[in-house]
Amino acid sequence: DAMVIQNPRYQVTQFGKPVTLSCSQTLNHNVMYWYQQKSSQAPKLLFHYYDKDFNNEADTPDNFQSRRPNTSFCFLDIRSPGLGDAAMYLCATSSLAGATDTQYFGPGTRLTVL
Amino acid sequence: AQSVAQPEDQVNVAEGNPLTVKCTYSVSGNPYLFWYVQYPNRGLQFLLKYITGDNLVKGSYGFEAEFNKSQTSFHLKKPSALVSDSALYFCAVRDSPLIDGYNKLIFGAGTRLAVHP
Repeated sequence: DAMVIQNPRYQVTQFGKPVTLSCSQTLNHNVMYWYQQKSSQAPKLLFHYYDKDFNNEADTPDNFQSRRPNTSFCFLDIRSPGLGDAAMYLCATSSLAGATDTQYFGPGTRLTVL
Repeated sequence: AQSVAQPEDQVNVAEGNPLTVKCTYSVSGNPYLFWYVQYPNRGLQFLLKYITGDNLVKGSYGFEAEFNKSQTSFHLKKPSALVSDSALYFCAVRDSPLIDGYNKLIFGAGTRLAVHP
């Protein structure tokens, strides 16, 4: 089945130690998104890629970076995690970035910062 | 600016009874509306969407939603609730026309549905 895969499902890191979260998709979608979700709150968009074009949200901290080496993979890098970065990180994809396009989410990676 | 409100933090319903999870929205153009469900420690799962056409939209797992333009609402419904429907439900909206070529999806705060046996 076509799907969005996130690895690892659970990640523990230390304060200030860089961490990378991975997302892959078999849907061949053009757009990939990274969201941060804290404590069952609404997901907060960090950034998205349309093909290779990177689009950062204005309020996304510089501590968060992303890479998309090819259509299938997208990575979220947190350069120096703080305690406030502990959250669920959700990857999503959509065929296009149009208003009617559905976003399909992966299972998420829960990040713990010690 | 587009926004979406889910006025209830939690909805409690007995198994077998009908359920409604409320959502209202505000957009400047035509609304594109979505419902997602999230089970514990899982990602968001798409249920249904309204783009245009019939105001009653049918989705996955027996859920449906009714688009009401005059009341700017898009309530999620199910005729007979199951215990397994217990989860966190998010309504989301996109506005049109596009701004700078892209309008992001705006989520409501979520409503926790608890279905009791």
